[in-house]
Amino acid sequence: AQTVTQSQPEMSVQEAETVTLSCTYDTSENNYYLFWYKQPPSRQMILVIRQEAYKQQNATENRFSVNFQKAAKSFSLKISDSQLGDTAMYFCAFMGAGANSKLTFGKGITLSVRP
Amino acid sequence: ETGVTQSPTHLIKTRGQQVTLRCSSQSGHNTVSWYQQALGQGPQFIFQYYREEENGRGNFPPRFSGLQFPNYSSELNVNALELDDSALYLCASSRPSGRARETQYFGPGTRLLVL
Repeated sequence: AQTVTQSQPEMSVQEAETVTLSCTYDTSENNYYLFWYKQPPSRQMILVIRQEAYKQQNATENRFSVNFQKAAKSFSLKISDSQLGDTAMYFCAFMGAGANSKLTFGKGITLSVRP
Repeated sequence: ETGVTQSPTHLIKTRGQQVTLRCSSQSGHNTVSWYQQALGQGPQFIFQYYREEENGRGNFPPRFSGLQFPNYSSELNVNALELDDSALYLCASSRPSGRARETQYFGPGTRLLVL
């Protein structure tokens, strides 16, 4: 079974600064997908970024980028130029390439952006 | 394009009762997944429906059941409610596409409180 670990329960960052959120996972699969989702206090889960394991290039989406280390099974999210609207819970999630495309989530990290 | 919608937004039930939660998938999506998110935790996979058939199930008892309709909307039914069933229930829709695994897009959730 796959597991996703987010060991930092909370982080805080000053507005305009850069912050990195950590995630590790465990799987025996070679093909899989990794995601970061954001859940603001209003609670709707929003996709931040997606990474396919077969792609060596790290995914980027505007201010958001990942550092995907397949051998180390590590998948961290870097948020550049942090904004107040980035305040939310962030979840790292794993999806296998099998027929059942379920998401396995970590426990999440609460990110607070200070003005 | 209409996103994923869920109803109701909030619900209060008493132990032993039954509840039905509803989800309308995003336009063009034919796969619906349900997750349970306890307070302060990451979502846990309940089950997934694809073309009106259950396509995978997480570690939830049989009193959690579901349906998917021809228009791809879905219901989650929970019988004999227990206090531990109090949680945010999230629905996510996606399009399966061959070997690639499509991103799941989440609805706003239904907050269930069991007294």
